[in-house]
Amino acid sequence: SQQGEEDPQALSIQEGENATMNCSYKTSINNLQWYRQNSGRGLVHLILIRSNEREKHSGRLRVTLDTSKKSSSLLITASRAADTASYFCATALYGGQLTFGSGTQLTVLP
Amino acid sequence: EAQVTQNPRYLITVTGKKLTVTCSQNMNHEYMSWYRQDPGLGLRQIYYSMNVEVTDKGDVPEGYKVSRKEKRNFPLILESPSPNQTSLYFCASSLDRHQPQHFGDGTRLSIL
Repeated sequence: SQQGEEDPQALSIQEGENATMNCSYKTSINNLQWYRQNSGRGLVHLILIRSNEREKHSGRLRVTLDTSKKSSSLLITASRAADTASYFCATALYGGQLTFGSGTQLTVLP
Repeated sequence: EAQVTQNPRYLITVTGKKLTVTCSQNMNHEYMSWYRQDPGLGLRQIYYSMNVEVTDKGDVPEGYKVSRKEKRNFPLILESPSPNQTSLYFCASSLDRHQPQHFGDGTRLSIL
């Protein structure tokens, strides 16, 4: 199975609400990255959090990492219709592999 | 403009006919990688390369070959394509193995 697993698989919210997505993984990591994908397009990097960091912010994004529970969360505050996309976590292993989860499909309703 | 370029963007072909998907980056990145994306499975890494002449298997390397003769290019070769390789393929690059990836726009392969 995948190294990273996102939860929920799909999320639908109203504009202005916050969206939270979770990611769990299985082995030790160097860092964890979050990406966004608009339908059928290439992925775009959002934020990277290193294994020795616990929280990171970038604009309306907040990422947390709990290495003891092997989990991370991505919070998008004050969501907009333009945030509608699929969001993926990816775990960077020490050996060089980058493993993606199956993604969360976020729909923000206007 | 910094970019990862894949060609072709779309290809329909038949079982057994060798094909190559090219990937080129203009950012002098050391790390390059190929992924396939299938519904419900997310992205799975096929092969990656940490530098010229260095390639390693990812999670799903069977049926694929790669080469890294130059820093900027990382072609994906399907020697004898089969229908289960029908997928959306992405090439990506980064400064090194732990840095964020820059993705190409994808190549949609259909193998009949």
